Amino acid sequence: GQNIDQPTEMTATEGAIVQINCTYQTSGFNGLFWYQQHAGEAPTFLSYNVLDGLEEKGRFSSFLSRSKGYSYLLLKELQMKDSASYLCAVTGYSTLTFGKGTMLLVSP
Amino acid sequence: GAVVSQHPSWVICKSGTSVKIECRSLDFQATTMFWYRQFPKQSLMLMATSNEGSKATYEQGVEKDKFLINHASLTLSTLTVTSAHPEDSSFYICSARIGLSMGNEQFFGPGTRLTVL
Repeated sequence: GQNIDQPTEMTATEGAIVQINCTYQTSGFNGLFWYQQHAGEAPTFLSYNVLDGLEEKGRFSSFLSRSKGYSYLLLKELQMKDSASYLCAVTGYSTLTFGKGTMLLVSP
Repeated sequence: GAVVSQHPSWVICKSGTSVKIECRSLDFQATTMFWYRQFPKQSLMLMATSNEGSKATYEQGVEKDKFLINHASLTLSTLTVTSAHPEDSSFYICSARIGLSMGNEQFFGPGTRLTVL
């Protein structure tokens, strides 16, 4: 089976940097996704990591360590619109399993 | 990017009725489509995986006779909630994947909010 842990909630201020961690245990690993989900909307793709290391895409970066079963999503220059739930999802042999999500609240 | 639509976006029905939700990939052919359910403040829970032209694969605990999935073409999958009850009220989201690799991104539909009275 698969088990994914991430913090329930985080708060940060506009312009700051925040790191959202995700740890996982999985039988079979084919990559890790990060998605952003605003309330009442479907998730939108942010990043995909399958090899160890850091992937940078604009204000968002994602890191993966397969040996540690660990990933993080780094958000820089936070904006109010970044307030959302951030979902860590791991692909196993056949399906994508989501964590419970981290609700990020960005304040002025 | 690839676009996935769902219809309806929300539906309210009486207990005991059946509700059909459509999921369409608008500008690509989806090898595989997935159906998820999300309760308030919970994560997305995979209900079933469907490949065009074959029977859906249901996750443990999901009743296949209650949640009927039809994947008649590479651009359309439907989920029918039969004899809906209030506990079926949830946010239903479909996604579509272009390739067979698990590394291929899933594109999500906007979701359907189902409320059963």
